[in-house]
Amino acid sequence: EAGVAQSPRYKIIEKRQSVAFWCNPISGHATLYWYQQILGQGPKLLIQFQNNGVVDDSQLPKDRFSAERLKGVDSTLKIQPAKLEDSAVYLCASSFGTEQETQYFGPGTRLLVL
Amino acid sequence: AQSVAQPEDQVNVAEGNPLTVKCTYSVSGNPYLFWYVQYPNRGLQFLLKYITGDNLVKGSYGFEAEFNKSQTSFHLKKPSALVSDSALYFCAVKGGYNKLIFGAGTRLAVHP
Repeated sequence: EAGVAQSPRYKIIEKRQSVAFWCNPISGHATLYWYQQILGQGPKLLIQFQNNGVVDDSQLPKDRFSAERLKGVDSTLKIQPAKLEDSAVYLCASSFGTEQETQYFGPGTRLLVL
Repeated sequence: AQSVAQPEDQVNVAEGNPLTVKCTYSVSGNPYLFWYVQYPNRGLQFLLKYITGDNLVKGSYGFEAEFNKSQTSFHLKKPSALVSDSALYFCAVKGGYNKLIFGAGTRLAVHP
């Protein structure tokens, strides 16, 4: 079974530029999550989709971050404009969606904002 | 509000010795608890979870975890550590809308 795919793996940009990350979840998983992991910290949820609807985006900085999940499969996360403090690893995860189900993570995208 | 604490930034153990990585939690209602491992430049890999049932949960790579409701703990254990177990370990609890709330992580260093 193929895992969660993410691209790119690494990205270096200058502040105020824009960047986009892509995620393809495990086939059949209805729920998709984007987490931000700052160095030295545990991952923090940014946004959660159930199919193509947003379930929780309470911790998404909506003035600069946006995300979409068209057709309930792939998802993109965008940052525009980026700030220095956005330097982090962005992890995508997916699950069947029920409370007891395990979330499976992709390899992550490491973003460095200069 | 749900929260997780990993009181040790780093755990050092000699190869072949037993290891324990500590985790305590705070939840309202039934806790759903998880352990993940992260190797350098890799995503999180699922190790094991506690949903209900036996307090001792067995997982991948010989790891197990003991759920203790009275102490609100979910410590990760392995009877005999390997150098290849050296990595960053995260404990997590399910929060609202199924999101995972992670601890800050514990770095495990296994020395030959």
